[in-house]
Amino acid sequence: GENVEQHPSTLSVQEGDSAVIKCTYSDSASNYFPWYKQELGKGPQLIIDIRSNVGEKKDQRIAVTLNKTAKHFSLHITETQPEDSAVYFCAASMIGGTSYGKLTFGQGTILTVHP
Amino acid sequence: DTAVSQTPKYLVTQMGNDKSIKCEQNLGHDTMYWYKQDSKKFLKIMFSYNNKELIINETVPNRFSPKSPDKAHLNLHINSLELGDSAVYFCASSQYGAYGYTFGSGTRLTVV
Repeated sequence: GENVEQHPSTLSVQEGDSAVIKCTYSDSASNYFPWYKQELGKGPQLIIDIRSNVGEKKDQRIAVTLNKTAKHFSLHITETQPEDSAVYFCAASMIGGTSYGKLTFGQGTILTVHP
Repeated sequence: DTAVSQTPKYLVTQMGNDKSIKCEQNLGHDTMYWYKQDSKKFLKIMFSYNNKELIINETVPNRFSPKSPDKAHLNLHINSLELGDSAVYFCASSQYGAYGYTFGSGTRLTVV
């Protein structure tokens, strides 16, 4: 089955700096890679996603890059703000086939943005 | 209106008891899921239902039994609770496979 590795486990940055979180996946059949933000006491919330036919996607301060050959994808947050502090999860899935919407998550990254 | 709502938010119970967690979604999605988040924050799928049909059943003790009375509801019943069942359980829903998952706010289960 799919295995997703996520690094780093914790990340501390100063407000205004950039933050990068990296994930690798094992199953070359995976073709959908979402990122979730989880704030304390809440459920994960989708912040951005990318499909395998795209190499990069950007939404304001957030961007995701995908390297299918190397089987890794990354989340980039620019101009970080204290409200970006949360746990971030990458995930992988195969749209279609027999995955039935199953998401395989990375281990999570605790991001702390210091004012 | 909350898109995916779970009840209760907190559940403290003794070992050996039976408990249920309820989930409802008002998004019109056709697929619902249960995920377990352990103490290290790791999220792992347990079950998935599509239009009331069980489609994913991961390696979960058979003390856990999901039930979906209709496509807007997915409940989780746990028999003979054990200390190791303590975790946060998340319900989620989606319309087209993994696209656009919406998670509930979680149920923190503590077994003492």
